[in-house]
Amino acid sequence: DGGITQSPKYLFRKEGQNVTLSCEQNLNHDAMYWYRQDPGQGLRLIYYSQIVNDFQKGDIAEGYSVSREKKESFPLTVTSAQKNPTAFYLCASSITGSSGANVLTFGAGSRLTVL
Amino acid sequence: GNSVTQMEGPVTLSEEAFLTINCTYTATGYPSLFWYVQYPGEGLQLLLKATKADDKGSNKGFEATYRKETTSFHLEKGSVQVSDSAVYFCALSGTGNQFYFGTGTSLTVIP
Repeated sequence: DGGITQSPKYLFRKEGQNVTLSCEQNLNHDAMYWYRQDPGQGLRLIYYSQIVNDFQKGDIAEGYSVSREKKESFPLTVTSAQKNPTAFYLCASSITGSSGANVLTFGAGSRLTVL
Repeated sequence: GNSVTQMEGPVTLSEEAFLTINCTYTATGYPSLFWYVQYPGEGLQLLLKATKADDKGSNKGFEATYRKETTSFHLEKGSVQVSDSAVYFCALSGTGNQFYFGTGTSLTVIP
């Protein structure tokens, strides 16, 4: 079955460490997204990529980095510069083109806790 | 710019009660509108969508109508079940393949 796989599901990090969250999709979607979810704040866009080797900052990109070397993969690195990284991170993908057909498909999420 | 405002929760209902979660939007152009549902510890799942004015999206007994004149997309269900307990997000997609989400409304249905 097609879908989005995020790993790890739970991750603990010490302050000052960088961590990388994996996101892989086999839906043949061009666009991929990373969102951060905090209680009571909904979803906030970190980075998105419409095509391989290209990506754009979202609303809260500071302290994060991404790469898009393959269509299927869009890893997110949470760097030590991110002041408050404890959160639930969601990866999503969609086709591009006609807005009527665009639907976001989400992974199951990764919960990062900084100790 | 684009934004979504949805009813704050939490909402607690008895089983078989009627559900309404309000959602209004601001958008340039002609967005598509969505409702997503999130169960505890999981990602979001598409519940229903509507792509143009007066369209009604429906799924699993839930429905919402795209009202351009009131810029609204309220979610309704005639008789909720305990299994409907979740967080519900209203969202829109605009130009440039961008998606905008409301803050979510937590629903708890008690037997």
